[in-house]
Formats: sequence, C-alpha cells, structure tokens
Amino acid sequence: GDSVTQMEGPVTLSEEAFLTINCTYTATGYPSLFWYVQYPGEGLQLLLKATKADDKGSNKGFEATYRKETTSFHLEKGSVQVSDSAVYFCALRDNDYKLSFGAGTTVTVRA
Amino acid sequence: GAGVSQSPSNKVTEKGKDVELRCDPISGHTALYWYRQSLGQGLEFLIYFQGNSAPDKSGLPSDRFSAERTGGSVSTLTIQRTQQEDSAVYLCASSPLAGETQYFGPGTRLLVL
Repeated sequence: GDSVTQMEGPVTLSEEAFLTINCTYTATGYPSLFWYVQYPGEGLQLLLKATKADDKGSNKGFEATYRKETTSFHLEKGSVQVSDSAVYFCALRDNDYKLSFGAGTTVTVRA
Repeated sequence: GAGVSQSPSNKVTEKGKDVELRCDPISGHTALYWYRQSLGQGLEFLIYFQGNSAPDKSGLPSDRFSAERTGGSVSTLTIQRTQQEDSAVYLCASSPLAGETQYFGPGTRLLVL
C-alpha cells in the first residue's frame, strides 16, 4: 500500500539556518505529493504541492521537488525564521482521494 | 471565505459514553473527509463522502465508529461506547471535488477518561 516516510524530529535550528526535511514515498500509481504544516494551536494548512514528476512546489520560501527516480519530495528553506516553528507533514494522494501522511517532523527555530 | 469548522473544539468524556463530533465543510465543497491524529498512529484516514455517493468507510477502526453527512453538507462522526484508545484529534477536511486539494478544519480534541 501507499506509505510516506519522513525524517524524524525534533529538529532545532537557529534563525537564518538552512532547513531540510527528508520525505520518501511508496505508491502503486503516480501520486500527487504535498507538504502540510501545523502551527502551534492551529489546524493543518497546505504548504505546497506537486502533481507530477519534476514539478517544484513553492510557498513562503519553502520548496520541494517531486523526484520520481528517488521517490522523494524533500522540503527545503534557505533561511528559517522563528515563525516557521511548526510540525511539518509530508503526504501523498494516489489514484484515489485519500491522503497518506508521514509521521510529522517538529521544527523549532530559536532566535 | 469561511474555512472548515468543527465543533466542539475539545471534548472530555468518560469511557463507555457516546460522542458526536461535527464538521461544517467549506460551502460548495462536495467532498468531505475525516481523519484521526493520534500519538501512536499519526494521521490516518477514517471516512470519505462525495456528493450523494455511498461513503468510503474503509478507514473506520471499528463498528463503534460511524458517520453521516446530511444534505451533502454538514457531517457528524459518532463514536459509541468510547474507549481510552479513541483519545485523539479528529480532523475534518473538504475539497471542491474528489481528488482536489483538501482543506482542513481545526480539529476536535477528544479525551476519553
């Protein structure tokens, strides 16, 4: 079945540091890939998405590229801020409608 | 516009009691989903509604769980005879059509004592 494996946290960074959260997937079809973010006390929000191989999703300075050859969708940001502290979830949607999520990575950015 | 809303935001109940959780999707969204976020299991799919079609209940963990969607809009997730392992955050999402981006509500945090 479909599954998503993402880097375990927690991750603690200083402001302006580079952030990478690894995400790999297993799917039977050609999935769409997503990163969702959950800020403290808030609900899940879509951060970015990519629907086919080599697509790059980007939003709020975050980027992720759909790599079919490595079945990966790593999230990156070049210079994090304290406001980026959150839990990040990698997810996929295969040929149906269900989202399969990774376990989540908690990121804390210190001033 | 208004997003997905859920109520209550928090619910504490005693083991063995029934609970009802409500979800109001974004207006005009035909697809509605329930997920559960728990410490041991992460985020897992529970049930999906699309228009007037029969729901996909394949993610419901036991027959104590049921859900309905009235008039193609509001949905209620019911858990009967709650158990401590039901403690989790229950998330509702909606999308304009099946297969499109899902937008999540703030969740209902359920604690079973």
